[in-house]
Amino acid sequence: AQTVTQSQPEMSVQEAETVTLSCTYDTSESDYYLFWYKQPPSRQMILVIRQEAYKQQNATENRFSVNFQKAAKSFSLKISDSQLGDAAMYFCAYKEGNNDMRFGAGTRLTVKP
Amino acid sequence: DTGVSQDPRHKITKRGQNVTFRCDPISEHNRLYWYRQTLGQGPEFLTYFQNEAQLEKSRLLSDRFSAERPKGSFSTLEIQRTEQGDSAMYLCASSRNSGSIPPGELFFGEGSRLTVL
Repeated sequence: AQTVTQSQPEMSVQEAETVTLSCTYDTSESDYYLFWYKQPPSRQMILVIRQEAYKQQNATENRFSVNFQKAAKSFSLKISDSQLGDAAMYFCAYKEGNNDMRFGAGTRLTVKP
Repeated sequence: DTGVSQDPRHKITKRGQNVTFRCDPISEHNRLYWYRQTLGQGPEFLTYFQNEAQLEKSRLLSDRFSAERPKGSFSTLEIQRTEQGDSAMYLCASSRNSGSIPPGELFFGEGSRLTVL
């Protein structure tokens, strides 16, 4: 079974600084998708960024980028120029084919003004 | 608003009672998922539907849990004889099976929080 591990229960960053959230996963498949979801307090989860495993180029969405290391099964999220609105729980997720999406336990990000 | 909607947002019940949650997915999405999320944890998969067919159920879905999607549109999740351990946020999500959006992206509702006293 695929598992997703987020080893940082909590992280904090100073406003305008950069922070990296870690994620590793376990799979024997070669074709899959990886996601980072953001869950603000009492709000719904929203997609931040996704990566197709067959693409070597790291995905980027404005201030959010990933470092996808397929061989190492690592998928970290970098948030540049952190803003107060970035404070939330961040979940790394894995999905393969028609199977369900598997989530890590999450990292709580605090942004200090 | 054309996002995923869930009702009720919060339900408080006594142990042993039955509760039912409803999810209305994004209208053109043919896949619908139910997840459970406890405090400080990531969502755990419960079950999913493609149209009206329930294609997969997690072992977390005990026989007290039942989910339906009778017409391939909205879905209900019923918990019978609730236990305190059922207290959690129940999340619904929907997705397309194919199309311009890469398969797999889930759109989540705001969740239904269950508190069992």
